[in-house]
Amino acid sequence: LAKTTQPISMDSYEGQEVNITCSHNNIATNDYITWYQQFPSQGPRFIIQGYKTKVTNEVASLFIPADRKSSTLSLPRVSLSDTAVYYCLVATSGSARQLTFGSGTQLTVLP
Amino acid sequence: DGGITQSPKYLFRKEGQNVTLSCEQNLNHDAMYWYRQDPGQGLRLIYYSQIVNDFQKGDIAEGYSVSREKKESFPLTVTSAQKNPTAFYLCASRLDTSSGANVLTFGAGSRLTVL
Repeated sequence: LAKTTQPISMDSYEGQEVNITCSHNNIATNDYITWYQQFPSQGPRFIIQGYKTKVTNEVASLFIPADRKSSTLSLPRVSLSDTAVYYCLVATSGSARQLTFGSGTQLTVLP
Repeated sequence: DGGITQSPKYLFRKEGQNVTLSCEQNLNHDAMYWYRQDPGQGLRLIYYSQIVNDFQKGDIAEGYSVSREKKESFPLTVTSAQKNPTAFYLCASRLDTSSGANVLTFGAGSRLTVL
């Protein structure tokens, strides 16, 4: 079963670029890697998704190496409002689609 | 606007009582999920359903029950058998069940407190 490992917490300062890496050694061939952001007492919301190489949208970039055993979420020029928990998600079963989250990374942006 | 509606937002329960949390989606999504989140912790999967009239246990199904009689509805019952039910409960749905894409849409959550 695919399992994800992320750092428990990270600190950064406003205006810096933040990179959060997720390990998923047992990712299946058809699995995508999806990142979510969660603020306290709210449901997680989708940030970005990718399968391989690099994906970029208006809020983040996602870097995935060729072996796909890890991925890195990159947040450019973070602000205080980016303080949140970030989760990477990889489907744990190719057919049953049981979606299990890891522990997430608490990002704290300091002024 | 399409989305997922969870109700109630806050719920208080006495020990020994069953309670049912509602989850309704108008996104025409096939799959639906229930997660539990304790303070400072990640999300743990309780139950999930790929299609109507079918559902599967997640990692922490004991003390919970679900039904999926309609595509848009996936209610969760927290039974008296659940020893520590105080938590934040999140419902989610997903559109594409046939490929690797797994973008979940979440509701706003229901916070259950046992008195």
